[in-house]
Amino acid sequence: DAKTTQPNSMESNEEEPVHLPCNHSTISGTDYIHWYRQLPSQGPEYVIHGLTSNVNNRMASLAIAEDRKSSTLILHRATLRDAAVYYCILRGVYNQGGKLIFGQGTELSVKP
Amino acid sequence: DTAVSQTPKYLVTQMGNDKSIKCEQNLGHDTMYWYKQDSKKFLKIMFSYNNKELIINETVPNRFSPKSPDKAHLNLHINSLELGDSAVYFCASSQDLVSNQPQHFGDGTRLSIL
Repeated sequence: DAKTTQPNSMESNEEEPVHLPCNHSTISGTDYIHWYRQLPSQGPEYVIHGLTSNVNNRMASLAIAEDRKSSTLILHRATLRDAAVYYCILRGVYNQGGKLIFGQGTELSVKP
Repeated sequence: DTAVSQTPKYLVTQMGNDKSIKCEQNLGHDTMYWYKQDSKKFLKIMFSYNNKELIINETVPNRFSPKSPDKAHLNLHINSLELGDSAVYFCASSQDLVSNQPQHFGDGTRLSIL
């Protein structure tokens, strides 16, 4: 399984944009890039996913590098509720058993 | 409506006991999972089931026995509990095994072994 690398922690101010980076230099052509987050005392929550093109949804945007070796999750205006651990996960189309392989993630803290 | 619900939320018991955790999803999904999050917050897959059939057993000790009576339920029974079993256990579901539809997680069951 291809590996992802994320910073251990990041800080942001409330109502400012946040860019969470993820490196995945060994990504294969069929790997999708998924992002999940885990708020304190809750289960992981799906945020967004993409393959090659940038993606937007109501929660966030995903910017994928042209060579797909890195991606950035963008929260356009951070709120206190966005404080969580964010996980960048590669998931192959033919991923055996459907499992998600979680790394250490990035712990995002948001200051008022 | 809770999409993936687990019971109980907290479970405190003594070493050597047998306990069960129940999971139900009302999303009509075919695939369900159990994940374990240890004290260092590391999340790891334990099992996946598709249409009641076991797909993944990720080298979990056979003291852990999942059971899927139907597609909407995946229960986890643990025999002879050990101190190292203390963790948060998350149930999840997804539409199927191969699509890139998201996984939906429950809020977890915090298991503490005394």
